[in-house]
Amino acid sequence: EIVLTQSPGTLSLSPGERATLSCRASQSVSSSYLAWYQQKPGQAPRLLIYGASSRATGIPDRFSGSGSGTDFTLTISRLEPEDFAVYYCQQYGSSPPLFTFGPGTKVDIK
Amino acid sequence: QVQLQESGPGLVKPSQTLSLTCTVSGGSISSGSYYWSWIRQPAGKGLEWIGRIYTSGSTNYNPSLKSRVTISVDTSKNQFSLKLSSVTAADTAVYYCARGGYSYGFPPPWGQGTLVTVSS
Repeated sequence: EIVLTQSPGTLSLSPGERATLSCRASQSVSSSYLAWYQQKPGQAPRLLIYGASSRATGIPDRFSGSGSGTDFTLTISRLEPEDFAVYYCQQYGSSPPLFTFGPGTKVDIK
Repeated sequence: QVQLQESGPGLVKPSQTLSLTCTVSGGSISSGSYYWSWIRQPAGKGLEWIGRIYTSGSTNYNPSLKSRVTISVDTSKNQFSLKLSSVTAADTAVYYCARGGYSYGFPPPWGQGTLVTVSS
């Protein structure tokens, strides 16, 4: 089973700043199978990025994803007040089908 | 648009079976080619995929839970369900249903989530 590690655990930034979140996999992950989610308190997660770098429908272009192999990055170019939340990476393994999530990175207001 | 709503007991006793239902509105659960999934999240912790059912009825489960999980679909009621047997306190979590479980992830819609506490 592939284990995902996210860093940092908490990122304290101010609105307007750039956020860089890391997701590292214990084994190589197909870029097609790497996704990022945003979760706000009391809400279900929302898909932001799929295929490592493709934005989901309705996601602002300040969110971008990159990476390959075992190292992936979510970047928020300029933080808006509504972006302070917890972010999870997730990977899909096909044999057998299994979805695993990272432990999350909390982006909070400095 | 399609909306999902979880329902079921909020309190389950240890060793019993947790049963939840996800009701789909705004569309038919049997139309199209979709996966329907259950995902859970203990308070203050991360997300765990429980399993999925395809429109055809085929299922896949997380190996860590496979021996205790059953996901089924009732097309007449436009619902799909989760049963988790032999629960312990470790199964206490918010349980989400989602129309998803594709190789690219879990797009909307998701349910709002329902808290299930395992306690005597």
